Amino acid sequence: GAGVSQSPSNKVTEKGKDVELRCDPISGHTALYWYRQRLGQGLEFLIYFQGNSAPDKSGLPSDRFSAERTGESVSTLTIQRTQQEDSAVYLCASSPSGLAGRRLYFGPGTRLTVL
Amino acid sequence: TQLLEQSPQFLSIQEGENLTVYCNSSSVFSSLQWYRQEPGEGPVLLVTVVTGGEVKKLKRLTFQFGDARKDSSLHITAAQPGDTGLYLCAGETGGFKTIFGAGTRLFVKA
Repeated sequence: GAGVSQSPSNKVTEKGKDVELRCDPISGHTALYWYRQRLGQGLEFLIYFQGNSAPDKSGLPSDRFSAERTGESVSTLTIQRTQQEDSAVYLCASSPSGLAGRRLYFGPGTRLTVL
Repeated sequence: TQLLEQSPQFLSIQEGENLTVYCNSSSVFSSLQWYRQEPGEGPVLLVTVVTGGEVKKLKRLTFQFGDARKDSSLHITAAQPGDTGLYLCAGETGGFKTIFGAGTRLFVKA
């Protein structure tokens, strides 16, 4: 079956512009995560959706960042008024319903470059 | 704030050598996972450990979960160039949120 897909794969934008990143999780996966990975570094947690529960937004770095998820399907991560420090790879992952130790399935990421 | 610290950050070794990567925290985790990431791709799960003291082996890789469920280690025997990559440990917090360490970048020279 299809894995997690993300679009676009690459995005170059100018400072101050808004960007929208899309994630299509694996069908049937109730949990969805967004992470940010700066060059040569680990994964920084941004936001977590689990079913119909309120999302865990504790990792969003500022109010310029927001994310939505429609039911248990597509999610979009929006960054408003982009800054150069927002340049990174944004990774989306999905996993099956809430069980301890479940595997996260990652997409290939969106590489965002803010000029 | 729950944090996972990995060491070393970078490791460059010759083919055939053994190595150990560590993942430590002051917090208890319900489970710990190890992922491997190659350039341009998302991380891929290697193993999940859930029981304190647990040891799992995957071919040349041995994973341990500390008795107190706060730390873990990954040992690779006879490393090969194909083992090159970024190794990430990940811990699952209450509420099933998964956080990651900063990673250990391994380079195995032929």
